[in-house]
Amino acid sequence: GQNIDQPTEMTATEGAIVQINCTYQTSGFNGLFWYQQHAGEAPTFLSYNVLDGLEEKGRFSSFLSRSKGYSYLLLKELQMKDSASYLCAVKRGTNAGKSTFGDGTTLTVKP
Amino acid sequence: NAGVMQNPRHLVRRRGQEARLRCSPMKGHSHVYWYRQLPEEGLKFMVYLQKENIIDESGMPKERFSAEFPKEGPSILRIQQVVRGDSAAYFCASSPPDGTEQYFGPGTRLTVT
Repeated sequence: GQNIDQPTEMTATEGAIVQINCTYQTSGFNGLFWYQQHAGEAPTFLSYNVLDGLEEKGRFSSFLSRSKGYSYLLLKELQMKDSASYLCAVKRGTNAGKSTFGDGTTLTVKP
Repeated sequence: NAGVMQNPRHLVRRRGQEARLRCSPMKGHSHVYWYRQLPEEGLKFMVYLQKENIIDESGMPKERFSAEFPKEGPSILRIQQVVRGDSAAYFCASSPPDGTEQYFGPGTRLTVT
């Protein structure tokens, strides 16, 4: 089975850095996705990690430790538009297997 | 959201009617996934398909729901005899064979009255 845990809510200040954690327990792990979802909209793909380490994409970075069942999404230079839900999703099985989503972390960025 | 198309964007059905939701994957993607999101809840996997094959339907309710991805045309999620509890946003996503990215369509908001 799978168990994916993320904090429910986080608050941060514009211009700051925030780290959103995700822990998981799953068999047949084959990659982890991070998505951003604004209210009423579809999820937007942010990153994919399958190997241990840090992947950087502009203001967003994602880290994975397979041995610890742990990932985080790091957002730098926060902007008001970063206020959204951030979803961690674990893929298992074959290369294009299904993903199981955590319940998401609602990030509120304040001025 | 690069290129995954879903229609209709909004669908209203009375209890007992049928709902048909369509999804065209991103160009070059051969794998399609359907997810359901109830209000204020997370995304729940329903079914994963490749052309003419259902690979994993472990998240699909056993009754009233079916999905297909024919050789030609879009993937279809079909809900028969809809009930109020089926009201939700239904998202389709697609990926290439290696599964290293997965892009979502804009979703279909189904309302059952």
